[in-house]
Amino acid sequence: QVQLVQSGAEVKKPGASVKISCRVSGYPFNIHDIQWVRQAPGQRPEWMGWINAGNGTTQFSKKLQGRVTITRDISAATVYMELHNLISEDSAVYYCARSVVILPGAWGHWGQGTLVTVSS
Amino acid sequence: DIVMTQSPLSLPVTPGEPASISCRSTQSLQHSNGYNYLDWYLQKPGQSPRLLIFLGSNRASGVPDRFTGSGSGTDFTLKISRVEAEDVGTYYCMQSLQPQLTFGPGTKVEI
Repeated sequence: QVQLVQSGAEVKKPGASVKISCRVSGYPFNIHDIQWVRQAPGQRPEWMGWINAGNGTTQFSKKLQGRVTITRDISAATVYMELHNLISEDSAVYYCARSVVILPGAWGHWGQGTLVTVSS
Repeated sequence: DIVMTQSPLSLPVTPGEPASISCRSTQSLQHSNGYNYLDWYLQKPGQSPRLLIFLGSNRASGVPDRFTGSGSGTDFTLKISRVEAEDVGTYYCMQSLQPQLTFGPGTKVEI
């Protein structure tokens, strides 16, 4: 079955970077885009960006453009999201997600979430 | 960017009774292909969101048929025909028509 497994919780200082992995299995890696979404405590989810796992094309939210990068390692069937110049407001649970069909939405497969805490 | 709103933000429900959540967008979510690019998700505390409805009215695999999505353009509704205790959580609508995907503020459903 389709699985998205994320790396573990991180604690970072302001100004640092964090890199989270999302290892996928159960389907051909290059078929589906992988989305990244984050959710601060008590807030709605916030879309961050996506990567086309086949050709590596990316698109990012305007809010995070310039601070976020998304890459993939085809041989490892893993997608990485890196957020730079962390601030306290970046403390959140970060999710990777995949559509159930070839659509921009319809995210029926999710990772378990990775808690990132930014604190001095 | 498209702004999503939901009402109510809090919804007390009674098991066995129906429930309804409204979602509105500041721009039409209807694609030129006729589909509305609107999803509904349910999130329980400490869990990842779960897809309930995609393209406005398509129930995701494994979603009970008591959940129904409807609407078009800028106005959408999620209906639960008979609420069950397991339906508690926060419901979010999300638009995927425009490249900057956006979520609604959420509706917290409680027994």
